[in-house]
Amino acid sequence: QVQLVESGGGVVQPGGSLRLSCAASGFTFSSYGMHWVRQAPGKGLEWVAFIRYDGSNKYYADSVKGRFTISRDNSKNTLYLQMNSLRAEDTAVYYCAKHSGHDYGDALDYWGQGTLVTVSS
Amino acid sequence: QSVLTQPPSVSEAPRQRVTISCSGSSSNIGNNAVNWYQQLPGKAPKLLIYYDDLLPSGVSDRFSGSKSGTSASLAISGLQSEDEADYYCAAWDDRLNGPVFGGGTKLTVL
Repeated sequence: QVQLVESGGGVVQPGGSLRLSCAASGFTFSSYGMHWVRQAPGKGLEWVAFIRYDGSNKYYADSVKGRFTISRDNSKNTLYLQMNSLRAEDTAVYYCAKHSGHDYGDALDYWGQGTLVTVSS
Repeated sequence: QSVLTQPPSVSEAPRQRVTISCSGSSSNIGNNAVNWYQQLPGKAPKLLIYYDDLLPSGVSDRFSGSKSGTSASLAISGLQSEDEADYYCAAWDDRLNGPVFGGGTKLTVL
């Protein structure tokens, strides 16, 4: 069965950095694009970044462009999110999610349990 | 402010039917499939409907989706207390090269 397990969250000061990881199993990781989606406390879902199956293209929400970097290591079945210049408004639960593909409506068909990032002094 | 527009909340009695609307634009719903996600309290989102009206394996057929132009709807029939959750619509946005979400609709089963 598909499993996505995020790690790396924690408390960080404004302006600091953090790297999130997402360990994938149960599917051919190297064949699928992957997303990061976040949810601020009590708020809705916000897409953060997407990386294609081979890492050839990466896309970002305007709110994180230039500060966050999505990457992947297909040999380790792991997705990453490097977050720099963190702000209070980046405080959220960060989910990694598997992209289903265009033939399946570009849905995010599996989600991890999330990891909490708190930006506070 | 979310790109897709949903009502913040809906409520209905058990065994009744409820619909949740989702409005977008030509760059997202108008040109791409709509997907719906269910988020139970304290849990991660789960795919509920994909490609406008298709159900993933294991999802109850009490859930159904539809789309027309730049709007979409999620219908839930035979409401049960376990359906109480937040529901999000989403669609790929051609300008962002990523999905956009609605603000979410909190369903209360009275």
